[in-house]
Amino acid sequence: YDLTQPPSLSVSPGQTARITCSGDALSKQYSYWYQQKPGQAPVLVIYEDAKRPSGIPERFSGSSSGTTVTLTISGVQAEDEADYYCQSADNSGSYFFGTGTTVTVL
Amino acid sequence: EVQLVESGGGLVQPGGSLRLSCEASGFPFSRFWMHWVRQAPGQGLVWVSRIESDGSSTNFADSVKGRFTLSRDNAKNTVFLHMNSLRVEDTAVYYCVRAARTSDAFDIWGQGTTVTVSS
Repeated sequence: YDLTQPPSLSVSPGQTARITCSGDALSKQYSYWYQQKPGQAPVLVIYEDAKRPSGIPERFSGSSSGTTVTLTISGVQAEDEADYYCQSADNSGSYFFGTGTTVTVL
Repeated sequence: EVQLVESGGGLVQPGGSLRLSCEASGFPFSRFWMHWVRQAPGQGLVWVSRIESDGSSTNFADSVKGRFTLSRDNAKNTVFLHMNSLRVEDTAVYYCVRAARTSDAFDIWGQGTTVTVSS
């Protein structure tokens, strides 16, 4: 199934970035978020809609409402410039990623 | 240190075969489901396949079903992706990924191995 994200987002340092991910299945399944910097493997930053893995800064948070989930980066820093992907799964054992959002810190 | 190290990537002609390996360390490998995720040049992430902890069950994306198989050797802490009938569109970086034990999160990623399918 499709998980739709905005292609890009620009934000100034210290401001708040909100990245949305939309898809019908998100109302029934958990969402996950990954950060990927150029030339590096992705890193899990949010799991089960709103939980933060150990080692991930508190400025990263997640929320869910109906068929849309949101990754929020509060007080954006230059090091947060990266691609961000949402992800979910279905009941048949298949997994899906969103289209990805490139966050640029101005 | 928890680590996944992929190997086996390279250049192969269309219709050819390749076997990717992923060696795990730093955690009880036999307790975890493992996945492969790929990323074509300049493109997004795409889930490819997964194998349950004891190897009894696998699942594949429609784009590779019937061409790719997945196996694991828990004694050697290694998972294998067998890729047959390769197509140009299979060109990508292939990541080995560990699934968290209690959720569908992909919590540990390898650095990836590059597969190029070209004549």
